[in-house]
Amino acid sequence: DQQVKQNSPSLSVQEGRISILNCDYTNSMFDYFLWYKKYPAEGPTFLISISSIKDKNEDGRFTVFLNKSAKHLSLHIVPSQPGDSAVYFCAASGVTGNQFYFGTGTSLTVIP
Amino acid sequence: SQTIHQWPATLVQPVGSPLSLECTVEGTSNPNLYWYRQAAGRGLQLLFYSVGIGQISSEVPQNLSASRPQDRQFILSSKKLLLSDSGFYLCAWSADRVPQPQHFGDGTRLSIL
Repeated sequence: DQQVKQNSPSLSVQEGRISILNCDYTNSMFDYFLWYKKYPAEGPTFLISISSIKDKNEDGRFTVFLNKSAKHLSLHIVPSQPGDSAVYFCAASGVTGNQFYFGTGTSLTVIP
Repeated sequence: SQTIHQWPATLVQPVGSPLSLECTVEGTSNPNLYWYRQAAGRGLQLLFYSVGIGQISSEVPQNLSASRPQDRQFILSSKKLLLSDSGFYLCAWSADRVPQPQHFGDGTRLSIL
């Protein structure tokens, strides 16, 4: 059973605009969330994380928002750049931090 | 800085043949180590993780096994590969304090014929 879901397989955005990638989870015990970026034939690269004690974390052009009551998190990229075109995975873990559950990914295309 | 090496990058194997994929981490001690598989159109599925030498936890029953003979070495093996073992295999490490992000190698594309 998929405990972390990314319901949008793909997203296209114009360069300079905002990209919003969404992720939902079902396990209320998850308390640590991450976003990864993946290019073809490479491993995922860690982007940004957030713990459940916060509802927002920002790092440059990337901001992650967490809505615990809705079991929803999102990644905002502003402004979007062509180099941001990649597959983005969200992931979640519980208190042990050893087992991460990944979504199926959203392929972002930033159009120049 | 820490680096993770995973090889080979691609591998084509016949059904029933054995498998050995190796992963090593540099620049850190006592890392947590992980093996994931990404099947076509699917997310990353955790196969095994290890918090120390000789300590392996299996998440999914299958014909694969993992071993950690040294602190920074993690090996994924199979005695007889199945067609369903095809996929993209990723090794990852994280610091032993949790929670911490996992950092991935570049993966091995395994095709079973």
